[in-house]
Amino acid sequence: DSGVTQTPKHLITATGQRVTLRCSPRSGDLSVYWYQQSLDQGLQFLIQYYNGEERAKGNILERFSAQQFPDLHSELNLSSLELGDSALYFCASSESGTGLSGNTIYFGEGSWLTVV
Amino acid sequence: DAKTTQPPSMDCAEGRAANLPCNHSTISGNEYVYWYRQIHSQGPQYIIHGLKNNETNEMASLIITEDRKSSTLILPHATLRDTAVYYCIVRAPRSNDYKLSFGAGTTVTVRA
Repeated sequence: DSGVTQTPKHLITATGQRVTLRCSPRSGDLSVYWYQQSLDQGLQFLIQYYNGEERAKGNILERFSAQQFPDLHSELNLSSLELGDSALYFCASSESGTGLSGNTIYFGEGSWLTVV
Repeated sequence: DAKTTQPPSMDCAEGRAANLPCNHSTISGNEYVYWYRQIHSQGPQYIIHGLKNNETNEMASLIITEDRKSSTLILPHATLRDTAVYYCIVRAPRSNDYKLSFGAGTTVTVRA
């Protein structure tokens, strides 16, 4: 158990709909990351937040958005869903500024999204 | 972050040591070598990381060459549950961009 909690674990929705994926980072971690993994595809970085502010952006579609709240949990919002958005979405977290530890990133178990 | 090169796949016999190579010839002095693995459709699991010294934990050992251009992850006694995709990632610890960039990794199959 990495300590990163993601909900829901599974979600089935129709095209055109909007969903929200939730992530609770490990206790004390300030950074949250979102990744997407489509069937037979690699892990693609979407976006990173640090202490409520966006820190880095990857290949995140404009239909997708995220935020990190004051209690440090994060939500990934996916809208106008298409069949191709079906994927595993992972959240990860890390503490920040701990150079000695190398700032290890820990992943949750993912949210399976199926768009039908 | 420096790029890494890993073999696409390898087999290992159960109970034997699995030695997973990684080449990172362009690594910078402050970049760490991280290893993660992903068992089918589960979240990537942190294994170990190191800077220049060899490291060992309850999961594995990491051997980094003196010139730091390559490393080897050693699973001392592979079990069937070690079948996974293993990722070698090089990353600077204090960069503003903390994300991990995953390549294709090495698909390790442990056979009975």
